[in-house]
Amino acid sequence: DTGVSQDPRHKITKRGQNVTFRCDPISEHNRLYWYRQTLGQGPEFLTYFQNEAQLEKSRLLSDRFSAERPKGSFSTLEIQRTEQGDSAMYLCASSSQKGARGHLNEQFFGPGTRLTVL
Amino acid sequence: GENVEQHPSTLSVQEGDSAVIKCTYSDSASNYFPWYKQELGKGPQLIIDIRSNVGEKKDQRIAVTLNKTAKHFSLHITETQPEDSAVYFCAASSAPLYEKLTFGTGTRLTIIP
Repeated sequence: DTGVSQDPRHKITKRGQNVTFRCDPISEHNRLYWYRQTLGQGPEFLTYFQNEAQLEKSRLLSDRFSAERPKGSFSTLEIQRTEQGDSAMYLCASSSQKGARGHLNEQFFGPGTRLTVL
Repeated sequence: GENVEQHPSTLSVQEGDSAVIKCTYSDSASNYFPWYKQELGKGPQLIIDIRSNVGEKKDQRIAVTLNKTAKHFSLHITETQPEDSAVYFCAASSAPLYEKLTFGTGTRLTIIP
């Protein structure tokens, strides 16, 4: 297994456009997370899936944001009508119900998608 | 909600010396505290974690201590090496949703050869 992958790695868009990011978790990980990270800050929790069910959404996830995980495998994060304030690194992570190395909830992060809104 | 503060924001130490990073949290219900290391161009990677029923945990050159009364926890790296240079994040979460991690703002650690 090659770990969590995200596509694209970089995205430049104009304000008002819609963008969609994809995350492929580690196979057989039933939990998937989306975070946003701005420069000089730690990751901020956006949302979390267990299998295909979206169980938690942060207040940061405005109505312009939608995340899906239709078959409990890959996930997409869509941002509609992008704003300059949406510019950030969007990180995806996955975990299994029982941590492989005995950790309570080891989240494995992907390399992120860097979004720039002009 | 939970708020995690992390200090210092930058830290430079000579190779072979020790490095200490400190975090405080606000929610007394938090009972799980992981530390993540983020290298340039990569996502964060878990390096060590501690639960609130334990005061200290060690893994080779890395150790974490927890003071529940004071609501602070620290990361200790001994015998630092150049490959320890990275950004380190502390985080906190609580049952039942351990999955919802609240991260600190990060510490950029530079090991000087």
